[in-house]
Amino acid sequence: NAGVTQTPKFQVLKTGQSMTLQCAQDMNHNSMYWYRQDPGMGLRLIYYSASEGTTDKGEVPNGYNVSRLNKREFSLRLESAAPSQTSVYFCASSLDRALPYGYTFGSGTRLTVV
Amino acid sequence: QKEVEQNSGPLSVPEGAIASLNCTYSDRGSQSFFWYRQYSGKSPELIMFIYSNGDKEDGRFTAQLNKASQYVSLLIRDSQPSDSATYLCAVNRPPGNQFYFGTGTSLTVIP
Repeated sequence: NAGVTQTPKFQVLKTGQSMTLQCAQDMNHNSMYWYRQDPGMGLRLIYYSASEGTTDKGEVPNGYNVSRLNKREFSLRLESAAPSQTSVYFCASSLDRALPYGYTFGSGTRLTVV
Repeated sequence: QKEVEQNSGPLSVPEGAIASLNCTYSDRGSQSFFWYRQYSGKSPELIMFIYSNGDKEDGRFTAQLNKASQYVSLLIRDSQPSDSATYLCAVNRPPGNQFYFGTGTSLTVIP
């Protein structure tokens, strides 16, 4: 049982380049999330998808776009990377956003923008 | 004011002692409270959650919730070196069951 799988694990981008972070879960969860984690800032929500076909902005959505491709997959795209987007990105899923259950996190993507 | 506040630590305890981690939250509408453990370079993993006032025990871990004082704590009994990690507190509240995470407390258990 893989849980939540994120790719890639590491990435270095030049300012202005674009990339897509991939996330897939095999737990039949309805809700999926993208967070970034920065020192001293904690985990901050970028975007979430409460269910297949819906996406909504979180706390820090600027500079990002998302796609809920199907129930399993939720991708995060950086159209024009900036050094301020250097961070560790975590995808997470939960059974249902309406239910107060905890998240299952992916292993993370360490992104450096130079 | 931050939604969730934690003392960043580091907190150091000797092996076998009780480690006490604390968290306060600002919104009285918060409904569910979670503790995650995060090893260095790894992703957060859920340890336990609590909804009701009082204590909830799971093995060596006890979560304590006091809604009147707006704090939640995690006690780790018989601390082991493998418990050395950063512990994240998270709360969940309406609208939309939004999650808010604290910045974490770093715990070191000294053999």
